[in-house]
Amino acid sequence: DTEVTQTPKHLVMGMTNKKSLKCEQHMGHRAMYWYKQKAKKPPELMFVYSYEKLSINESVPSRFSPECPNSSLLNLHLHALQPEDSALYLCASSQPRQGAGTGELFFGEGSRLTVL
Amino acid sequence: KNQVEQSPQSLIILEGKNCTLQCNYTVSPFSNLRWYKQDTGRGPVSLTIMTFSENTKSNGRYTATLDADTKQSSLHITASQLSDSASYICVVSGGSGGSYIPTFGRGTSLIVHP
Repeated sequence: DTEVTQTPKHLVMGMTNKKSLKCEQHMGHRAMYWYKQKAKKPPELMFVYSYEKLSINESVPSRFSPECPNSSLLNLHLHALQPEDSALYLCASSQPRQGAGTGELFFGEGSRLTVL
Repeated sequence: KNQVEQSPQSLIILEGKNCTLQCNYTVSPFSNLRWYKQDTGRGPVSLTIMTFSENTKSNGRYTATLDADTKQSSLHITASQLSDSASYICVVSGGSGGSYIPTFGRGTSLIVHP
């Protein structure tokens, strides 16, 4: 079983809805990530939080709003999404890079999002 | 630009057979390389991690190799099982400026038939 927990597993929303995806880890990791994955494609990085501060935003549209309330939680707030935003959203965590052999990404099971 | 190329894009084999997946990368400086297995609709799970000084590492029926000089890695699966059907993703970490952010390959889709 993964040690990164994502909820909900499935989410269907309309283009005018506001919803949130949640991610939780208790491995003491201080880096957390959101990835977006379309079918038969590799995960694409969206955001990185390091020590609860947003360190990377890969030019993600503002209809996606990340939040890191504490070192164990990561949220992704969704508003006014488009049908093309339908995808599997993966959360991951790791220790911040300390050198070779560290920083392995631990992924959650993902939240399958469908935008109608 | 950091890139990770995987081949083949897809592979179909019979249960019990062996197979080898390839990964070439241009990430520099190199930190480490990981192979992940991703079942359809689920999150990736790490199989092996290779650092600069390691040439071979095994995890059960999975054996990964790394040639840091030619910037190539392979994942060998022995005596394949139906449950090996999945996407196998090569992920390389490193790059200039101390950035950790890993670079993902596009994956190899493996189908094991009975």
